[in-house]
Amino acid sequence: AAGVIQSPRHLIKEKRETATLKCYPIPRHDTVYWYQQGPGQDPQFLISFYEKMQSDKGSIPDRFSAQQFSDYHSELNMSSLELGDSALYFCASSLLPGGLGNTIYFGEGSWLTVV
Amino acid sequence: AQSVTQLDSQVPVFEEAPVELRCNYSSSVSVYLFWYVQYPNQGLQLLLKYLSGSTLVKGINGFEAEFNKSQTSFHLRKPSVHISDTAEYFCASSANAGGTSYGKLTFGQGTILTVHP
Repeated sequence: AAGVIQSPRHLIKEKRETATLKCYPIPRHDTVYWYQQGPGQDPQFLISFYEKMQSDKGSIPDRFSAQQFSDYHSELNMSSLELGDSALYFCASSLLPGGLGNTIYFGEGSWLTVV
Repeated sequence: AQSVTQLDSQVPVFEEAPVELRCNYSSSVSVYLFWYVQYPNQGLQLLLKYLSGSTLVKGINGFEAEFNKSQTSFHLRKPSVHISDTAEYFCASSANAGGTSYGKLTFGQGTILTVHP
């Protein structure tokens, strides 16, 4: 079965550069969530989208922005990168927010290293 | 606001022994509760979830968890572990508040389960 696809899987950037992470949800899923997991940390919710509109916002820095496109894929744009942005970024998708029983599926994550 | 506390950062256990990973939650609204497993360099995989109904929830790989509202706990158990269960386990909650709050998960700090032969 198709899963949540994230690209790139690994990315190395220098400080002050810009990075873009992409997420392709499971087909027919209309909701996308982004999480950030720092080294040795638990995942932290960043932002979510439902039907191409931002639905919830968490601890996402102002330097970060995201959007969901007409084909439901999502991109997380990170500018003015800092060393502390080095983390594993997860994308997750689900069908119909709040649909009881609908599982939230996570991708394998994109490793961002800022040097 | 919600918070999730996993009471043990590391749990070592021998193969075929039972294990319990402890999780307590705090929330001003009713919550959904989840357990996820993360193998090294991999994503998060759902083990089980509590949404409503029976307080004993059975998941994949022989895991189960019990929702205890009075103790605000959601402990994960397995009667007999295998080497392959070695991984990090995260307890998580989300608010029963409709909309995309369902997927806005608050995670605990994680428990590393190490199964020794």
